[in-house]
Amino acid sequence: NAGVMQNPRHLVRRRGQEARLRCSPMKGHSHVYWYRQLPEEGLKFMVYLQKENIIDESGMPKERFSAEFPKEGPSILRIQQVVRGDSAAYFCASSPSRKDLDTEAFFGQGTRLTVV
Amino acid sequence: QQQVKQSPQSLIVQKGGIPIINCAYENTAFDYFPWYQQFPGKGPALLIAIRPDVSEKKEGRFTISFNKSAKQFSLHIMDSQPGDSATYFCAASRMDSNYQLIWGAGTKLIIKP
Repeated sequence: NAGVMQNPRHLVRRRGQEARLRCSPMKGHSHVYWYRQLPEEGLKFMVYLQKENIIDESGMPKERFSAEFPKEGPSILRIQQVVRGDSAAYFCASSPSRKDLDTEAFFGQGTRLTVV
Repeated sequence: QQQVKQSPQSLIVQKGGIPIINCAYENTAFDYFPWYQQFPGKGPALLIAIRPDVSEKKEGRFTISFNKSAKQFSLHIMDSQPGDSATYFCAASRMDSNYQLIWGAGTKLIIKP
């Protein structure tokens, strides 16, 4: 059973370009969470999705950021018109259900986005 | 109200010593307090977690101590090993908050051989 798979591991974008980050949850997991980590800081919650639904996007910036988790395929975090301040590590976590979050939520290895 | 304050920022301990990492929170509605371990280039991994109905929880060499009245909790690592060298994060959340973990800033732990 593969873990949470994120790709790419490293992504370099020029200012103004779009960044697309992918997350394939663990098999059997239908809940996906995205977090952002700035250097030397803890993770900051961005969005919580279930298949085809955004449950909570209270941590997402209002502009340029969007997330989806389609019926088929990975969850996508999309950042339009990237700026230098978007440079960070973006982590995805998955769990089978909210009740089990303290024992069955697993993180991917992250995508390190660098905006030049 | 939403912050979790973690200290120290970095810690160096000799092998076999007992590093202690402390966290403090303000929001009394928090009812779930996990610790995560993160190695360079990897995602965080859940180490151990506690709920406020107990004052201590042990899993192997890792112990969480929880002081509800002081709104503090700490991680102790017994018989520390060089392989424990990593960044440790405390976090807090409400169980009904859609996994909106509020994270501490992290402690970079180095265990010297």
